[in-house]
Amino acid sequence: DAKTTQPPSMDCAEGRAANLPCNHSTISGNEYVYWYRQIHSQGPQYIIHGLKNNETNEMASLIITEDRKSSTLILPHATLRDTAVYYCIVRGYTGNQFYFGTGTSLTVIP
Amino acid sequence: NAGVMQNPRHLVRRRGQEARLRCSPMKGHSHVYWYRQLPEEGLKFMVYLQKENIIDESGMPKERFSAEFPKEGPSILRIQQVVRGDSAAYFCASSPNVVGTGSGNTIYFGEGSWLTVV
Repeated sequence: DAKTTQPPSMDCAEGRAANLPCNHSTISGNEYVYWYRQIHSQGPQYIIHGLKNNETNEMASLIITEDRKSSTLILPHATLRDTAVYYCIVRGYTGNQFYFGTGTSLTVIP
Repeated sequence: NAGVMQNPRHLVRRRGQEARLRCSPMKGHSHVYWYRQLPEEGLKFMVYLQKENIIDESGMPKERFSAEFPKEGPSILRIQQVVRGDSAAYFCASSPNVVGTGSGNTIYFGEGSWLTVV
């Protein structure tokens, strides 16, 4: 599976957009980018995933660069409940498992 | 549609006892994954199972740990002769079919079982 690199922590003001970057420079053409988050003491929650095109759902938007070497998860209006660890995962064809890295700890500040 | 159900949510065991953690996948899901999260650490893949088959157990410790997903009933993660280092949160996830890159399917997690070994 392709390696991903994320900043260890970020802060965001409540009500502002939170932009969480992820580098995956070794991604292969058939690998998807997935985002999950884990709020303290809860199970990981699926947010969004994409292959090439930008994606949007009720939770977030995913922007993937044209060369697919990086992506950004956007939470358009961050709330205190968005404080969590956010994981960017690239899933390869050789296995069906999701390998979690260390993620980005996002703190939304009032 | 009920989500992934795990029980017990909290389990306390003395060193040397056995711990059994159960996971019922989402309705219609036939694939189960177990992950372990040690305190202040990330999620580590343990095992991937289909009904009556272990597909990938590359993340399972070689001794004392086993997993099954019988034809009927929940998936079970069994830890024999627990030690304090087994204290962790154990998360189960499920998916509806082979999560291949072609489909882009994802996996959904339960709320976890917290094991404390005293």
